[in-house]
Amino acid sequence: ILNVEQSPQSLHVQEGDSTNFTCSFPSSNFYALHWYRWETAKSPEALFVMTLNGDEKKKGRISATLNTKEGYSYLYIKGSQPEDSATYLCALANAGGTSYGKLTFGQGTILTVHP
Amino acid sequence: KAGVTQTPRYLIKTRGQQVTLSCSPISGHRSVSWYQQTPGQGLQFLFEYFSETQRNKGNFPGRFSGRQFSNSRSEMNVSTLELGDSALYLCASSSAYQETQYFGPGTRLLVL
Repeated sequence: ILNVEQSPQSLHVQEGDSTNFTCSFPSSNFYALHWYRWETAKSPEALFVMTLNGDEKKKGRISATLNTKEGYSYLYIKGSQPEDSATYLCALANAGGTSYGKLTFGQGTILTVHP
Repeated sequence: KAGVTQTPRYLIKTRGQQVTLSCSPISGHRSVSWYQQTPGQGLQFLFEYFSETQRNKGNFPGRFSGRQFSNSRSEMNVSTLELGDSALYLCASSSAYQETQYFGPGTRLLVL
């Protein structure tokens, strides 16, 4: 059974704070690690796809890093804004034919940014 | 480009009935994956279709089935509905192997 773990489960921060979350995954048979942002009543929005050990990706105030050898990824949000409030999901894609179209999701980190 | 669309958005059924959900992928995307989201289990992979063929299947009973048409639109069917099938069903499309999956808004199914 593939376990993708995210921590913390939830986080409350004040506007302007910087924050980060962790996604841990089994490093064997790794192909890619996806990050999504999911706001209530909307579709999950793709943030990053990361494939190489040491990858760093950035989109505005959000950035992510990847360590495939030890099996973790960090997502950072700099200067959180209330509109960043959402559930942040990471999802693992494995290599191989049995992995077609399959993402294994963590349970998510619920971020609430207070004005 | 238009995003992934799903119909209907909401459904109420009773136990024992069957239901069909529809997903239209982004134009040009040939892979469609389906997921079930329940409060306790998070997002769980149901199956994936590519060029009208099911290439991968998650750990769900045979009551859950799907198909894909030549225009890449996909349907999933759940027969003999159970209370535990109440969930949000999401589909996602992608253009190539293990590339970004773009999600639709989901169909929320309530089984009474």
